[in-house]
Amino acid sequence: LAKTTQPISMDSYEGQEVNITCSHNNIATNDYITWYQQFPSQGPRFIIQGYKTKVTNEVASLFIPADRKSSTLSLPRVSLSDTAVYYCLVVINNAGNMLTFGGGTRLMVKP
Amino acid sequence: DADVTQTPRNRITKTGKRIMLECSQTKGHDRMYWYRQDPGLGLRLIYYSFDVKDINKGEISDGYSVSRQAQAKFSLSLESAIPNQTALYFCATSDHRGLAGEVDTQYFGPGTRLTVL
Repeated sequence: LAKTTQPISMDSYEGQEVNITCSHNNIATNDYITWYQQFPSQGPRFIIQGYKTKVTNEVASLFIPADRKSSTLSLPRVSLSDTAVYYCLVVINNAGNMLTFGGGTRLMVKP
Repeated sequence: DADVTQTPRNRITKTGKRIMLECSQTKGHDRMYWYRQDPGLGLRLIYYSFDVKDINKGEISDGYSVSRQAQAKFSLSLESAIPNQTALYFCATSDHRGLAGEVDTQYFGPGTRLTVL
């Protein structure tokens, strides 16, 4: 399984755009990149997934360069309620689709 | 996600006791998972099941067992609880629809906080 590296923590202010970069140097051809969000004492929640280039949904955007060795989760105009832990995961697209969680990035949004 | 429920939500028990954590889902998903989370760390997979007759060990299965009684139910048991099993336990489900170009999205329950004294 490809290992991911992301910042342990980040601070931001309300209304700012937040970009969290994840490194996954040994990503394989069939691997997908997926991001989950976790609030304190709650289960993780899926945010976005992608394979290459750019993916956008109503919550976030995911940017993946051509070499796919990193990815960036972009949260536009964050609010206090976006304070959470964000996990970057690399998932093999096969029958298993197992998730392997690292430590995540703890985002603190300040007023 | 309200479609995935876990009982109990909190449990305090003593070393050596047998404990069962229950998970139920109304999403109609075939796949179910049990994870544990220790403070400040990510989730680790304990067991998973892809259908009623399928049980697989995850990363940290020692000291745990599971039962998939029906598509909608997946129980986790600690046969003889020990203090280092104190953690937050999450159940999750996913639906492998086989869509080209996608990996499963997992839907997590609210968690069970277990304390073993």
